[in-house]
Amino acid sequence: AQSVTQPDIHITVSEGASLELRCNYSYGATPYLFWYVQSPGQGLQLLLKYFSGDTLVQGIKGFEAEFKRSQSSFNLRKPSVHWSDAAEYFCAVGPNKLVFGAGTILRVKS
Amino acid sequence: EAGVAQSPRYKIIEKRQSVAFWCNPISGHATLYWYQQILGQGPKLLIQFQNNGVVDDSQLPKDRFSAERLKGVDSTLKIQPAKLEDSAVYLCASSSPKTGPNTGELFFGEGSRLTVL
Repeated sequence: AQSVTQPDIHITVSEGASLELRCNYSYGATPYLFWYVQSPGQGLQLLLKYFSGDTLVQGIKGFEAEFKRSQSSFNLRKPSVHWSDAAEYFCAVGPNKLVFGAGTILRVKS
Repeated sequence: EAGVAQSPRYKIIEKRQSVAFWCNPISGHATLYWYQQILGQGPKLLIQFQNNGVVDDSQLPKDRFSAERLKGVDSTLKIQPAKLEDSAVYLCASSSPKTGPNTGELFFGEGSRLTVL
């Protein structure tokens, strides 16, 4: 069965600092991988996705993620964090039934 | 383009009572999903509809949860009777026919937060 692990429950970074959120997945075939963001009281919004091809994918709001098959990872990165990036981030694996990780809460210090 | 609409946003009930949540997906989206998000966990798929047919309801607790999408547009999720462990946010999502229902590109509503006392 497919699964996703997000090892960090909370991460705090200073505004302007770089960010990396970790995601490890388990899937028997070629996965479809996603990062979603959820602001307080809001639904989930798709940040970026990987289906195939270039393993470095660009998303909205300046985020990027790199698919590493050998490490079963799909880590999310941003070179310079803004206060508005504070939210909860979910990694998910598909296709078919989309399975989400437990999420990482990002706090941004000013 | 209007997003996924859900109501009510908040509901507080006592255990053993019933509750219903409504969802209207983005116009033209044939696939509709209900997810349950318990505090501290990621969303878990309860049921997936393709038009008005059920594609996957393997994780729906059918002894107390039911869902319908009679005309292939809006949908209702019902819980009867509610238990304390049903306290969660119930998220509705839909997917575009351009990307297909199985790619994982979902559009989510803001959710309905249920508290069972």
